[in-house]
Amino acid sequence: AQTVTQSQPEMSVQEAETVTLSCTYDTSESDYYLFWYKQPPSRQMILVIRQEAYKQQNATENRFSVNFQKAAKSFSLKISDSQLGDAAMYFCAYRFTNAGKSTFGDGTTLTVKP
Amino acid sequence: GAVVSQHPSRVICKSGTSVKIECRSLDFQATTMFWYRQFPKQSLMLMATSNEGSKATYEQGVEKDKFLINHASLTLSTLTVTSAHPEDSSFYICSATDRGYTGELFFGEGSRLTVL
Repeated sequence: AQTVTQSQPEMSVQEAETVTLSCTYDTSESDYYLFWYKQPPSRQMILVIRQEAYKQQNATENRFSVNFQKAAKSFSLKISDSQLGDAAMYFCAYRFTNAGKSTFGDGTTLTVKP
Repeated sequence: GAVVSQHPSRVICKSGTSVKIECRSLDFQATTMFWYRQFPKQSLMLMATSNEGSKATYEQGVEKDKFLINHASLTLSTLTVTSAHPEDSSFYICSATDRGYTGELFFGEGSRLTVL
């Protein structure tokens, strides 16, 4: 069974600084999707960034980028120039197909200090 | 982007009553919808997967008769908590996926259920 592990229950970062959230996963599949979702205090889940496993290039979305290491089964999220609005719980997620269910990590709570 | 609307956002009910939560995809056809339960500061726990026109697939340990899921159309899925008890109090979230190939899940706003 697929598993997703986020080893950092809590992280904090100073405003305008950079922070990296870790995620590892386990799968025997070669093609799949990986995601980072953000859940702010409103509890609305928001997609931060997506990576397709067949793509070697790391995904980027403005201040958010990933370091995807397929062989190591690692998928970390880097947030640059952190802003107060980035404070949230972040979930790493794995999905085998575009129709199947997703597996979520336990989440990392990110605090941004002004 | 695709929008999923979940209603009601908050509901309070008495023990023993039933509560229905609706999940609608507003601008796309949701071939598959998922229902989650989330406890404070914890991850999403998948309860069931529903496909339009077929019976929901429940995760192990989820009571089918307590959590009734119906996916009657490509834009609507409902979760009914039957004979609710205080231990059913929780935050329930739905998500949907479309026929595309992005793999992305689109989430509803969530529903906070409080059973007195």
